[in-house]
Amino acid sequence: DIQMTQSPSSLSASIGDRITITCRASQAISNDLAWFQQKPGKAPKSLIYAASRLQVGVPSKFSGSGSGTDFTLTISSLQTEDFATYYCQQYNTYPLTFGVGTKVEVK
Amino acid sequence: QVHLVESGGGLVKTGGSLRLSCAASGFTFSDYYMSWIRQAPGKGLEWVSYISNNGRTTYYADPVKGRFTISRDNAKNTLYLQMNSLRAEDTAVYYCVRDRDRNYEYAFDFWDQGTMVTVSS
Repeated sequence: DIQMTQSPSSLSASIGDRITITCRASQAISNDLAWFQQKPGKAPKSLIYAASRLQVGVPSKFSGSGSGTDFTLTISSLQTEDFATYYCQQYNTYPLTFGVGTKVEVK
Repeated sequence: QVHLVESGGGLVKTGGSLRLSCAASGFTFSDYYMSWIRQAPGKGLEWVSYISNNGRTTYYADPVKGRFTISRDNAKNTLYLQMNSLRAEDTAVYYCVRDRDRNYEYAFDFWDQGTMVTVSS
């Protein structure tokens, strides 16, 4: 199985901050990488797929990059609604696997 | 508008069975490959099972292999997950999602609220 190592597991940030979350795959997955946002008590929401392509309706403050084994999710200017938990997912090979999540909290 | 409405969750004893359903609407269900994802309370996301658009190909995560069976009825636009020999560690919210489209392009684009399964002795 492909292991997804996501870091950090949590981070504290302020409104307006630029933050970056990283995800490393245990083997090359091309650009078959997605990012999800989840708020407490809610279902996950798809943000990015193919490492860098935004889902319809996702604001451009979210961006993704990477290929192979190393990937990043960046939020350019953190707003109140962005405080949530973020997960990466590889979909190159079944079983699909997720990172452990990064909880973004208010500093 | 795409809807995926899960049902069938509830409280079940260890060793018991449940069948989850996912009613799909707003898109051509038979075009899509589907998956079940689960999330234990306070934990992360875990992929559970996958089924091809015609139902002929299925995959399972190791923890559920041999106990869970995924199936679909394209005439009824419904996805199922038969869960047998349930264990405490199967306690989770279960989500059905569109996995790939007819061109095998990645989806995972719509998530509903899921259905809660609680396994207790």
